[in-house]
Amino acid sequence: DAKTTQPTSMDCAEGRAANLPCNHSTISGNEYVYWYRQIHSQGPQYIIHGLKNNETNEMASLIITEDRKSSTLILPHATLRDTAVYYCIVTYSGGGADGLTFGKGTHLIIQP
Amino acid sequence: NAGVTQTPKFQVLKTGQSMTLQCAQDMNHEYMSWYRQDPGMGLRLIHYSVGAGITDQGEVPNGYNVSRSTTEDFPLRLLSAAPSQTSVYFCASSYSGLRGYTFGSGTRLTVV
Repeated sequence: DAKTTQPTSMDCAEGRAANLPCNHSTISGNEYVYWYRQIHSQGPQYIIHGLKNNETNEMASLIITEDRKSSTLILPHATLRDTAVYYCIVTYSGGGADGLTFGKGTHLIIQP
Repeated sequence: NAGVTQTPKFQVLKTGQSMTLQCAQDMNHEYMSWYRQDPGMGLRLIHYSVGAGITDQGEVPNGYNVSRSTTEDFPLRLLSAAPSQTSVYFCASSYSGLRGYTFGSGTRLTVV
């Protein structure tokens, strides 16, 4: 699986859009970009995934650059409950049949 | 639909003792995996399974055994507990990977 690079931490004001970047410059053609988050002491939670096109669901939007070397997770109206560690994971089309490789993620802190 | 259920939630072991961490899912998921998370770190893959009767090693398998006799259950056995195995253990399952993994709430294990 391709390696990902994320900032260690980010702040965002409550009510604003939180934009979390991820670099995956070695991604291959059949690898997907997945985002998970982990709220303190809880199990990680799946957020969204994509291959080439931008994706949106009830939790977030995922913007993938045309060359697929980077992506941005967008939480449109961040709340205090969005404070968590966010993990960007790249894995093959099987969606991680052989498990997931977590990096250290980005600690997003939503400020009141 | 209970999702992924891990038991126990907390456990204290003495060095050298053995025990089994239980993981069960009721979603008919094919893929299951075990992770450990040490303080301030990301999750690391211990073992994974792509279906009943099939298991394989992840990044940090030493000291742990798994089996997958049914689709629903994926127990993790600690053979002879060591203080280095003090960690939070998460189990996860997925239908095909593409829908993302569902994680349990974790087992907090302390080895003294």
